Amino acid sequence: AQRVTQPEKLLSVFKGAPVELKCNYSYSGSPELFWYVQYSRQRLQLLLRHISRESIKGFTADLNKGETSFHLKKPFAQEEDSAMYYCALRMYSGGGADGLTFGKGTHLIIQP
Amino acid sequence: DVKVTQSSRYLVKRTGEKVFLECVQDMDHENMFWYRQDPGLGLRLIYFSYDVKMKEKGDIPEGYSVSREKKERFSLILESASTNQTSMYLCASSPPRVSRELFFGEGSRLTVL
Repeated sequence: AQRVTQPEKLLSVFKGAPVELKCNYSYSGSPELFWYVQYSRQRLQLLLRHISRESIKGFTADLNKGETSFHLKKPFAQEEDSAMYYCALRMYSGGGADGLTFGKGTHLIIQP
Repeated sequence: DVKVTQSSRYLVKRTGEKVFLECVQDMDHENMFWYRQDPGLGLRLIYFSYDVKMKEKGDIPEGYSVSREKKERFSLILESASTNQTSMYLCASSPPRVSRELFFGEGSRLTVL
């Protein structure tokens, strides 16, 4: 069974401080991981995916297969980063479509 | 831009009523999904579809059914609404390629009294 764990429901940091949102997964196959973000009153949207190895809005995430983790990091938090963040794992059904299994989410609050 | 439109943003229904939640996407995506979003529980997959008239159960299909008669439209049906189905429902679509991104609608907030 696949599972995504985000241990922090709420994370509050000051502007300019480093941010790390934790995500651990449990999956017997080759994982494909994503971070989605939902800003206040906006729809859920993709932030980044591990295979792209990209930095979006200053955020990066590295897949660590040994620790089964995909933590989201940003060196200097900004107030506009305040949002709900979800880690997601791609699961393959074998039927031709893929759903994503989401973690429970971490509410990030950046204090001025 | 991909657009996923959920026709009802807010609904209030009574226990036992039949409820239809409609979702339309305009990018010719093969895959469509219904999730429910609850505080502290995150997003949970109810049903998904990879083609017209095809459907597969997600993690929490009990009490729900779906319909995909046309490629662009994916409907979620609550045959007999119950109070524990009060939630935010999110529809999403995605194209059929590796590392596909899910595009979400704005959500439908359903309250069952």
